[in-house]
Amino acid sequence: EAQVTQNPRYLITVTGKKLTVTCSQNMNHEYMSWYRQDPGLGLRQIYYSMNVEVTDKGDVPEGYKVSRKEKRNFPLILESPSPNQTSLYFCASSPRGGRGYNEQFFGPGTRLTVL
Amino acid sequence: DAKTTQPPSMDCAEGRAANLPCNHSTISGNEYVYWYRQIHSQGPQYIIHGLKNNETNEMASLIITEDRKSSTLILPHATLRDTAVYYCIVMPGGTSYGKLTFGQGTILTVHP
Repeated sequence: EAQVTQNPRYLITVTGKKLTVTCSQNMNHEYMSWYRQDPGLGLRQIYYSMNVEVTDKGDVPEGYKVSRKEKRNFPLILESPSPNQTSLYFCASSPRGGRGYNEQFFGPGTRLTVL
Repeated sequence: DAKTTQPPSMDCAEGRAANLPCNHSTISGNEYVYWYRQIHSQGPQYIIHGLKNNETNEMASLIITEDRKSSTLILPHATLRDTAVYYCIVMPGGTSYGKLTFGQGTILTVHP
């Protein structure tokens, strides 16, 4: 089944404790992206990647890192989480080329709480 | 710098058509109109997109005005499962499509 998976789905952590949220897609998509969603603010893009080893900042990159060493994986790293990073996070992927290449496939979400 | 404007909420009776408007008066010639929806806290789901012609798929129809400054997403026979937040997004076509920005969207509530 074509899908985007995220792990963990739920995480409660403490300020300053490094964490990684994994994202993997099995559709051979070139484009991958991370979003956060907060009440009243809609979905905001954190980072995106056009291909392996190519990443760029979205609208709210501060406090986050990403890497794209393999096509299928795009982990989100919080080196020193803070309470203002408490949010619902979504990973997404999209193929390139063709009429539908901006159709993004979203993962199920990771609900993160930083105490 | 919002590129689209949508009503914050709309209601629709089950079985009736839901017509969701979107204004995008500053849309550029190479920008497409995309619609996504998000059912409570789930990942957003792609619905449909178009450039200037009307489009239809198994989920919905998209009507884009001739001047491309507005569009309407039509769910022809809304069901309770269509209750969701609907996002209208404009994005450039071509090989560089950069950031995808979701606004506040429209909360569609389908009533029995």
